[in-house]
Amino acid sequence: AQSVTQLDSQVPVFEEAPVELRCNYSSSVSVYLFWYVQYPNQGLQLLLKYLSGSTLVKGINGFEAEFNKSQTSFHLRKPSVHISDTAEYFCAVTNFGNEKLTFGTGTRLTIIP
Amino acid sequence: EAEVAQSPRYKITEKSQAVAFWCDPISGHATLYWYRQILGQGPELLVQFQDESVVDDSQLPKDRFSAERLKGVDSTLKIQPAELGDSAMYLCASSLGVSGRAGETQYFGPGTRLLVL
Repeated sequence: AQSVTQLDSQVPVFEEAPVELRCNYSSSVSVYLFWYVQYPNQGLQLLLKYLSGSTLVKGINGFEAEFNKSQTSFHLRKPSVHISDTAEYFCAVTNFGNEKLTFGTGTRLTIIP
Repeated sequence: EAEVAQSPRYKITEKSQAVAFWCDPISGHATLYWYRQILGQGPELLVQFQDESVVDDSQLPKDRFSAERLKGVDSTLKIQPAELGDSAMYLCASSLGVSGRAGETQYFGPGTRLLVL
């Protein structure tokens, strides 16, 4: 079985400051990792995903994430946040041959002007 | 840009009533998913279709929930009878569904927010 832990339920950050949203996963086999963003009253939008290759993955809206196999982590980062980044962020995992996404409980990012 | 369509966007119903949600995936996407997202939690898969066939419905409460995708295109999720605990966001997603291609992106619709009174 696979699982995802998002350690922070809420993260407040000042505008233009950097941010890191933490994600740890558990799986007995090789994984594929995803970050999705959900704006209020909307569906989920893919920010980025890791399948293989370079452990540093760049996504949309200036976000990036680094896959760390030894620490079973896939933290999301942005060097300078904007008001428009206010949203809920979900980390998700799936395994090779299994398309079922397992989501974490989400991190609410609040940008302080 | 093609999107996943869902309707209605909002639904208020009384317990013991029947409700139905509709989803139209991105054209050409073979795989369709229904998720339930309870407030403050991540989405949880209810059912997955590959074309018109159910691939995974292990988390679907089959005594009251049903889902169909008769022609392998759009899909309907039904709850009968609705219970207070069914209040949640119901999300539909689709992916290309190429066999053996792992890690495909799932594209989500805007969701249907259900409130059961």
